[in-house]
Amino acid sequence: EPEVTQTPSHQVTQMGQEVILRCVPISNHLYFYWYRQILGQKVEFLVSFYNNEISEKSEIFDDQFSVERPDGSNFTLKIRSTKLEDSAMYFCASRVDGEQTQYFGPGTRLLVL
Amino acid sequence: SQQGEEDPQALSIQEGENATMNCSYKTSINNLQWYRQNSGRGLVHLILIRSNEREKHSGRLRVTLDTSKKSSSLLITASRAADTASYFCATDPNSGYALNFGKGTSLLVTP
Repeated sequence: EPEVTQTPSHQVTQMGQEVILRCVPISNHLYFYWYRQILGQKVEFLVSFYNNEISEKSEIFDDQFSVERPDGSNFTLKIRSTKLEDSAMYFCASRVDGEQTQYFGPGTRLLVL
Repeated sequence: SQQGEEDPQALSIQEGENATMNCSYKTSINNLQWYRQNSGRGLVHLILIRSNEREKHSGRLRVTLDTSKKSSSLLITASRAADTASYFCATDPNSGYALNFGKGTSLLVTP
């Protein structure tokens, strides 16, 4: 069964560094999402992406963040100048056109020191 | 923004018993989805119920939706130790855009 995949599974970085989190959505899906979950807290929406542009973004998704679909399979989340509070699990999700179910990847656990 | 809120926050039952988790939300929705998360892992989609549906079944799962009360329930029948996980409801107000997750119910099923 097709799955959303994410790399790396874990990333440790120094405060102020840039990180790129990668996702490969399910191949026939057209809508892509990033969410994050700070340890012990609820899952929070960051951004949705369709047709090579952002569809919707939350207040969390400020100028520090950017998303890109650099090729036909990858979907990336870039965090510039990471802060301690960016430490969280980051989930990518995707869905097919015409359906509302979002399928989540296993997540990337980001730790900012 | 609206949010799903689950209760109870934690639930401990024995194998074979049924587990019921509730979710309340604040504004109108297009659909409501339930997800499971094993400790430190990804979110697994369980079931989606549309706003015009009242009940849905999938295997041992039964979901109800009461839009007049803005609430949903997830029933897991004949629970197993493998059902131990956190369960989240997520509301979808705009048909496929941002999901609003609740804080989740932590379910522990003991053998």
